[in-house]
Amino acid sequence: GQNIDQPTEMTATEGAIVQINCTYQTSGFNGLFWYQQHAGEAPTFLSYNVLDGLEEKGRFSSFLSRSKGYSYLLLKELQMKDSASYLCAVMDSNYQLIWGAGTKLIIKP
Amino acid sequence: IAGITQAPTSQILAAGRRMTLRCTQDMRHNAMYWYRQDLGLGLRLIHYSNTAGTTGKGEVPDGYSVSRANTDDFPLTLASAVPSQTSVYFCASSDSGNSPLHFGNGTRLTVT
Repeated sequence: GQNIDQPTEMTATEGAIVQINCTYQTSGFNGLFWYQQHAGEAPTFLSYNVLDGLEEKGRFSSFLSRSKGYSYLLLKELQMKDSASYLCAVMDSNYQLIWGAGTKLIIKP
Repeated sequence: IAGITQAPTSQILAAGRRMTLRCTQDMRHNAMYWYRQDLGLGLRLIHYSNTAGTTGKGEVPDGYSVSRANTDDFPLTLASAVPSQTSVYFCASSDSGNSPLHFGNGTRLTVT
């Protein structure tokens, strides 16, 4: 079966760095997405990786290793507004998205 | 403002009633999707449409139907609601293939 695993919840301190991991087992691979979802709101797109390596976008970076079925989202200089759930999703060989359950990130002052 | 509009924002529905959730996008995206989101579970695909006039079943299609008469609209119908359909429903669209999804603000549905 197809599966995406990510931690249920993480806690970090304002100003610090946090890494949210995602491991996947899917039928084929056509890219991995990270979305941010604030409580009570819709998910919004953060990043897309299809080749191995690190993609950097301001305070957020996303890494992919296809051979290991592994990705992480790195958030630097954490701000209180970064408190949200972070969703990992993999596009399989049929271009269908397989979603993880999300990681709830709690930022403490 | 370009985007996806869902209606209603929330609804309480008696079991057995019929309900249509509306979704309209103005980005001229080809693909549209309906997901449900339940606590502790990932987003689950109900139905999708790759282009106007075509629809397909997702992971959890039972009890739901969709239509795609034109590019902009993608309504989701619950023919006879059951309590297990209590959930938050998100409509999404994408340009094509592996483009990112754009989500509507969701409909919170409670079936009693």
